[in-house]
Amino acid sequence: GESVGLHLPTLSVQEGDNSIINCAYSNSASDYFIWYKQESGKGPQFIIDIRSNMDKRQGQRVTVLLNKTVKHLSLQIAATQPGDSAVYFCAESSTNDYKLSFGAGTTVTVRA
Amino acid sequence: SAVISQKPSRDICQRGTSLTIQCQVDSQVTMMFWYRQQPGQSLTLIATANQGSEATYESGFVIDKFPISRPNLTFSTLTVSNMSPEDSSIYLCSVAPEPTDTQYFGPGTRLTVL
Repeated sequence: GESVGLHLPTLSVQEGDNSIINCAYSNSASDYFIWYKQESGKGPQFIIDIRSNMDKRQGQRVTVLLNKTVKHLSLQIAATQPGDSAVYFCAESSTNDYKLSFGAGTTVTVRA
Repeated sequence: SAVISQKPSRDICQRGTSLTIQCQVDSQVTMMFWYRQQPGQSLTLIATANQGSEATYESGFVIDKFPISRPNLTFSTLTVSNMSPEDSSIYLCSVAPEPTDTQYFGPGTRLTVL
């Protein structure tokens, strides 16, 4: 079946640098995408979302980019901090099917 | 966003027994979902908890193994029945005020089956 997946399972980044986490999706009917952050021992925390009528959305220190042509989603974290160390999941759904499908997850480790 | 709590936060159970997990949200929501997250893995949807009717289960999950209740718009339970060590996972509930809204997750219940 169609699925959402991530390009890299781990990412190590120097504190203060920018981080980029990538996600590929294959369901062309998907029109809603979400990034979640999951810290150890906690449930997933909503970071930012984007709908398919947009290609970029910015939040506080985070930016999500959507390229529908190649079915690619990315999360950019500016000035990465130690508190950003976590597992990051992309998830997708469609208007016709509100259920979320999750990618495999990328573990981000911030080096001091 | 809604405040979601789960009980218990963790448990260690013997094989063959059952555990009921509760999910409580501080506001009325249309949608409630149950997910499983196996160790080191991503999240997999178990079922959609429907208020006033039977839950809708995903492929690979059955009502006899994971009975779900949804008595009102703020509460749901998931029971893991006749447990085996393979059921050791984190079980998470999520809520969305409306179907097209963002889903927010509870803190999870960490289950270990011996």
